[in-house]
Amino acid sequence: AQKVTQAQTEISVVEKEDVTLDCVYETRDTTYYLFWYKQPPSGELVFLIRRNSFDEQNEISGRYSWNFQKSTSSFNFTITASQVVDSAVYFCALTSNSGYSTLTFGKGTMLLVSP
Amino acid sequence: DADVTQTPRNRITKTGKRIMLECSQTKGHDRMYWYRQDPGLGLRLIYYSFDVKDINKGEISDGYSVSRQAQAKFSLSLESAIPNQTALYFCATSDPGTGKDEAFFGQGTRLTVV
Repeated sequence: AQKVTQAQTEISVVEKEDVTLDCVYETRDTTYYLFWYKQPPSGELVFLIRRNSFDEQNEISGRYSWNFQKSTSSFNFTITASQVVDSAVYFCALTSNSGYSTLTFGKGTMLLVSP
Repeated sequence: DADVTQTPRNRITKTGKRIMLECSQTKGHDRMYWYRQDPGLGLRLIYYSFDVKDINKGEISDGYSVSRQAQAKFSLSLESAIPNQTALYFCATSDPGTGKDEAFFGQGTRLTVV
């Protein structure tokens, strides 16, 4: 069975602080994909990144960066210089062929960025 | 227009009523999914379909049924709604042929059962 754990239920930071959201996953598959989604207060799911299991390169996109480490089964997400607009619930998710492309989500981390 | 459209966006219904949530997509994907989101629990899979003749139960299918009327349409029904089915429901599609397994989500349907 697949599992995604986001141990941080809620994080509060002040604007301009850096913040890291943790994600630990479990899967028996050697080929899998990891995702991060953002859910702002309006409720829609916004796709942020997809990473396949064979690509351990870290990625940076503007203020966002992701650290994928297979050795620790982690796919952490860092926001640099956080802004109020970053306030949202962030979900880490996992899919694989043996999971029939269905997504297994973590429970989410609510990020509150105050001015 | 959105690629994955859910109707209605919001619905309040009474306990015991039958309700249908509809999902249509213009992406041409064969695979479609219904997820349910509860506060603090993330999203959980209700049903999924790989084509019009293929329907599969997900993690939490009890109390729900689905219909895949066409490649583009996948409906979720609550035969007799109960209050603990109050949740945010998402429809999604994916195309494994891209090799990316990316899911495309609808805007969500907020269902309240009173």
